[in-house]
Amino acid sequence: DAGVTQSPTHLIKTRGQHVTLRCSPISGHKSVSWYQQVLGQGPQFIFQYYEKEERGRGNFPDRFSARQFPNYSSELNVNALLLGDSALYLCASSLLTGKDTGELFFGEGSRLTVL
Amino acid sequence: RKEVEQDPGPFNVPEGATVAFNCTYSNSASQSFFWYRQDCRKEPKLLMSVYSSGNEDGRFTAQLNRASQYISLLIRDSKLSDSATYLCVVTLIRGANNLFFGTGTRLTVIP
Repeated sequence: DAGVTQSPTHLIKTRGQHVTLRCSPISGHKSVSWYQQVLGQGPQFIFQYYEKEERGRGNFPDRFSARQFPNYSSELNVNALLLGDSALYLCASSLLTGKDTGELFFGEGSRLTVL
Repeated sequence: RKEVEQDPGPFNVPEGATVAFNCTYSNSASQSFFWYRQDCRKEPKLLMSVYSSGNEDGRFTAQLNRASQYISLLIRDSKLSDSATYLCVVTLIRGANNLFFGTGTRLTVIP
């Protein structure tokens, strides 16, 4: 079975540009979350979506936005890129039924470099 | 103050050694606790959940001390394949996806 898939795997942008990152959750998973992992740090929560609605937002500026589609895939958009946005962006999916273990299944990430 | 604090290490231990990691969390309302493992340039993967009663999975033992707000992970008989970064994770809402990760503790097991 396919795990969480993300695209692109690597990309390079310049300051001021925008970027769209894509994620497909594990089949049957309705919750998608986005995390930013800067080198040497743990992942930091950006957004959670469930059934196409935003369920949580971390401490990130409005330049960051996301959405979830009817097939539960998701996009993360970042506008007006800054050098500090360079990071690994991780997408994670889960069942979120209330009865699951709370385990998140992460994709391999999209590594963004801003020059 | 960070939600989760960990000693970043690195911990360099010989094969067969026992190694312990600790982390502390700041919010006493935290509900669920986990250890995730992250290999170099890979995604984090759940190693084990942590319960107040303590839990063991083979060579790995996790403990939770709610009174002191700390979580521990003990690895016995270290293998080369245990070399990775171990992330301490808490969440405020059971089953929620808003996880707070520590910085991670880097472990290298030496032959």
